[in-house]
Amino acid sequence: SQELEQSPQSLIVQEGKNLTINCTSSKTLYGLYWYKQKYGEGLIFLMMLQKGGEEKSHEKITAKLDEKKQQSSLHITASQPSHAGIYLCGADRGSQGNLIFGKGTKLSVKP
Amino acid sequence: DTGVSQNPRHKITKRGQNVTFRCDPISEHNRLYWYRQTLGQGPEFLTYFQNEAQLEKSRLLSDRFSAERPKGSFSTLEIQRTEQGDSAMYLCARTGVDGETQYFGPGTRLLVL
Repeated sequence: SQELEQSPQSLIVQEGKNLTINCTSSKTLYGLYWYKQKYGEGLIFLMMLQKGGEEKSHEKITAKLDEKKQQSSLHITASQPSHAGIYLCGADRGSQGNLIFGKGTKLSVKP
Repeated sequence: DTGVSQNPRHKITKRGQNVTFRCDPISEHNRLYWYRQTLGQGPEFLTYFQNEAQLEKSRLLSDRFSAERPKGSFSTLEIQRTEQGDSAMYLCARTGVDGETQYFGPGTRLLVL
């Protein structure tokens, strides 16, 4: 089974709407990373969360880490077409830094 | 700009041929990672270097794969006797000033015919 489960797998929203993407781990989280990927391109770092209850924001994107639930959420406020892409969560397993990733959530934003 | 360049960006090859990819990170960062990503999946860890030392290899890295980082700066990933199952995006990442956050290059997309 997948160690990091992301939900939903895909999401289509109208421009201006808010949305949330979830990432749930089957194991203890030492660090949780969020990346964004455009099709055929590399990953762009968004945020890293390390402590339970930690919350970080960048522009209209907010990420939270619930360590007890082994879960993180990514919330986008007032979505724009520029937010479209694949959002990936990655977990640091404490094994010298290599990351394990979820399968990603594909976000489409309709103008 | 993530501070990582990869070449080539695309590679088409015939089954059985050897291919080599190159990753050039900003030189002052020590850790360098290689990942492989197939369609609809997240990246999967292959191997990583601390300076020029290769410290960990995934079981995904078969004997046909070899990676080097001869001077602790750029790195190469070679695949010998390519198979159709090797078709994927190969991503390279460097660590940032915090020593943990990974910044990815644009990737090399390999298609094996």
